[in-house]
Amino acid sequence: DADVTQTPRNRITKTGKRIMLECSQTKGHDRMYWYRQDPGLGLRLIYYSFDVKDINKGEISDGYSVSRQAQAKFSLSLESAIPNQTALYFCATSAAGSAYGYTFGSGTRLTVV
Amino acid sequence: KQEVTQIPAALSVPEGENLVLNCSFTDSAIYNLQWFRQDPGKGLTSLLLIQSSQREQTSGRLNASLDKSSGRSTLYIAASQPGDSATYLCAVVAGTSYDKVIFGPGTSLSVIP
Repeated sequence: DADVTQTPRNRITKTGKRIMLECSQTKGHDRMYWYRQDPGLGLRLIYYSFDVKDINKGEISDGYSVSRQAQAKFSLSLESAIPNQTALYFCATSAAGSAYGYTFGSGTRLTVV
Repeated sequence: KQEVTQIPAALSVPEGENLVLNCSFTDSAIYNLQWFRQDPGKGLTSLLLIQSSQREQTSGRLNASLDKSSGRSTLYIAASQPGDSATYLCAVVAGTSYDKVIFGPGTSLSVIP
């Protein structure tokens, strides 16, 4: 099993619908992140969480919300999806401290029509 | 504000060549730098992590160097193979509480058989 699992892998949804992307990890890491990737714009941070009670906005949090249900689970919600939220979404984890790197999930390809 | 650039944006080489990918960052106050590989439509796979106190890391045919003073890192790939074809991204960990990761836009590598 993958260390960081994202579901669903692919999703097509209609404008205005609410959608949730889920992430779970078996790394035992405290820190979890949501990124989106767009062609030409690279990876951009949406939200991050250092522990269950800690939630922080990233570079592009508007239109998104998150929930850290447990140390191992971090979900991303689009309350009312719009077409420019069509992107590849990644969940990542890290341990505290700079000695450790980041582990990424395989991504969720979201298309909003 | 930390900015990360990667040159070239795309590179095509014949199989067997040695090659160098470049990553530059504007703020030398980093904690570590990580190189990733991304296959089309897939997640990011960590290749090498260099701590700020280190100058290089090696893994198989890959060697990454770090020069903080000049704001540069290079990823050297020896004896390239078609299976090395992918996009390579560098990511700089900055910020006083290890909460900021800035990704470069990536270099798309094609190794021609």
